Amino acid sequence: NAGVTQTPKFRILKIGQSMTLQCAQDMNHNYMYWYRQDPGMGLKLIYYSVGAGITDKGEVPNGYNVSRSTTEDFPLRLELAAPSQTSVYFCASSLPTGTSGRTGETGELFFGEGSRLTVL
Amino acid sequence: GEDVEQSLFLSVREGDSSVINCTYTDSSSTYLYWYKQEPGAGLQLLTYIFSNMDMKQDQRLTVLLNKKDKHLSLRIADTQTGDSAIYFCAGVEPNSGYALNFGKGTSLLVTP
Repeated sequence: NAGVTQTPKFRILKIGQSMTLQCAQDMNHNYMYWYRQDPGMGLKLIYYSVGAGITDKGEVPNGYNVSRSTTEDFPLRLELAAPSQTSVYFCASSLPTGTSGRTGETGELFFGEGSRLTVL
Repeated sequence: GEDVEQSLFLSVREGDSSVINCTYTDSSSTYLYWYKQEPGAGLQLLTYIFSNMDMKQDQRLTVLLNKKDKHLSLRIADTQTGDSAIYFCAGVEPNSGYALNFGKGTSLLVTP
């Protein structure tokens, strides 16, 4: 299994351009997430989805949009790129948290390798 | 939401033990997690602890949870140069679809 796959791995954008970061998972996870990671700042949640057709804002959603038309895919769209969006973007997926401790019910997030975006 | 605090840097000699500390504010998380990030890579789950446990041991890793003080620690025994990475503690953000709220990460440097 591939797990969580993100494309592209690297991208340079000019200010005002738009692009879509792709994320796909093959683990049949209902829950998917987009985070951004800035140096020394940890990870900030941008958007999340609890299933196909359902998305919601996280802590830092401004300047981004998402869609979830299938269980597998969760693309992140940047409209009118700004230098403040220079970051490393991580997509993740999970199963709902359970309390039995059985494998797959710990709420563990599975991460992609990241997409490094520079806006100049 | 959950606030998770960690010290930013730790340097140890190879063979010594490393202890990375974390404090959190929200007690509702069923599990608490430690993730490891190597340079240029994504985050990988290192270990986790169920909230009704005080300690969990997994080979060289020991997790201690003090619920009263809202303190979580990760001890790595016999630290190796391959353990050099950024370590994140995380708890569940209660109102964001089971998203995890991460600390800023502790950069562990292991010197020979």
